[in-house]
Amino acid sequence: QVQLQESGPGLVKPSETLSLTCAVSGYSISSGYYWGWIRQPPGKGLEWIGSIYHSGSTYYNPSLKSRVTISVDTSKNQFSLKLSSVTAADTAVYYCARHNVPDPLDYWGQGTLVTVSS
Amino acid sequence: SYVLTQPPSVSVAPGQTARITCGGNNIGSKSVHWYQQKPGQAPVLVVYDDSDRPSGIPERFSGSNSGNTATLTISRVEAGDEADYYCQVWDSSSDHPDVVFGGGTKLTVL
Repeated sequence: QVQLQESGPGLVKPSETLSLTCAVSGYSISSGYYWGWIRQPPGKGLEWIGSIYHSGSTYYNPSLKSRVTISVDTSKNQFSLKLSSVTAADTAVYYCARHNVPDPLDYWGQGTLVTVSS
Repeated sequence: SYVLTQPPSVSVAPGQTARITCGGNNIGSKSVHWYQQKPGQAPVLVVYDDSDRPSGIPERFSGSNSGNTATLTISRVEAGDEADYYCQVWDSSSDHPDVVFGGGTKLTVL
């Protein structure tokens, strides 16, 4: 069974960089698929942040592209998100998920709440 | 960028049929996926490729897609179906594929 687990600081100061990691078990990232990040501000809807292909190619939401970096570490079977210059508007539950194109996001992590506050 | 429009809320009595719409320009030409999200939980896929169900999803959940509207239909609604529902498509109009979500619909079981 494929499982994804997000980890990282739950509190980030404004203007700093948010960093999260998604550990994958039950499937080797290097075998294929896209691996993505999605966020959900409290009480609001889902927003795709970006995705990385197993080969390392990345695709970002145009609205966040200037601040986002997604990378993959196949040796640890995990992928990571960095979001720079955060503000309170970046406070959200951050999810990682697996997908292909044009398939659905079939496996999701449980999500992790990141609060941006001083 | 491609926009998906969902009604903010839908209410239905137990045992009745709920229909949740997802509007988009010529959405009938795309594959639509639907997710159910209960409070404090990650989204769960309930319908993919317009009308297919993942294993473990009850037959009460079905979908259709034509023209400018896709629809998630939940028959014989139960209290446990109360949740937020999101539609999702892939937008390939730019140089790379983008994930697009609808704004979500809160289903209330009266």
